[in-house]
Amino acid sequence: KQEVTQIPAALSVPEGENLVLNCSFTDSAIYNLQWFRQDPGKGLTSLLLIQSSQREQTSGRLNASLDKSSGRSTLYIAASQPGDSATYLCAAYSSASKIIFGSGTRLSIRP
Amino acid sequence: EAGVAQSPRYKIIEKRQSVAFWCNPISGHATLYWYQQILGQGPKLLIQFQNNGVVDDSQLPKDRFSAERLKGVDSTLKIQPAKLEDSAVYLCASSLVGGSGYEQYFGPGTRLTVT
Repeated sequence: KQEVTQIPAALSVPEGENLVLNCSFTDSAIYNLQWFRQDPGKGLTSLLLIQSSQREQTSGRLNASLDKSSGRSTLYIAASQPGDSATYLCAAYSSASKIIFGSGTRLSIRP
Repeated sequence: EAGVAQSPRYKIIEKRQSVAFWCNPISGHATLYWYQQILGQGPKLLIQFQNNGVVDDSQLPKDRFSAERLKGVDSTLKIQPAKLEDSAVYLCASSLVGGSGYEQYFGPGTRLTVT
């Protein structure tokens, strides 16, 4: 059974810092790994989707990597801004075509 | 392109009452998903439709939850009767094709409070 873990549950850093959010999954037989952002009271916004044949994806200040063999994905945020404050969720697409979400990392960027 | 629409945005009911949520997916998206997100947790899939057929409802509490997708477009999720532990955000998502490989787009969610 696929399990997705995100540690830490909460993170607070000063503005301008580069940071890394971590996601680990127990079953390496995944198809895709997707990172989402969730603002309070809002739905999920897709940030990056990494297909199983890819190692990383980049969008602006965001870079997501995928290492299936170690069961890990990271989301790198460069030059963080207060507007980046949100909860970040990762989701693993298992071989059974189900999506399993982690519990998220609540990120706070201090001005 | 219009996104996934959901209504209502908020609902407060007493336990044992019934409630229904509505979702309109992105035009042309064949697959529709309903998720339950309890505070502090990630979303959990309740049911997945491909057109108007159910693909996966293994985590849907069928004694109280029901869902339908008439004509393969809009969908309704119903809870009857509601329990306190049903308090959560209910998210609807859609994608062009189901399964892996295709991105899911999420609606704003419906926040349900059961008192």
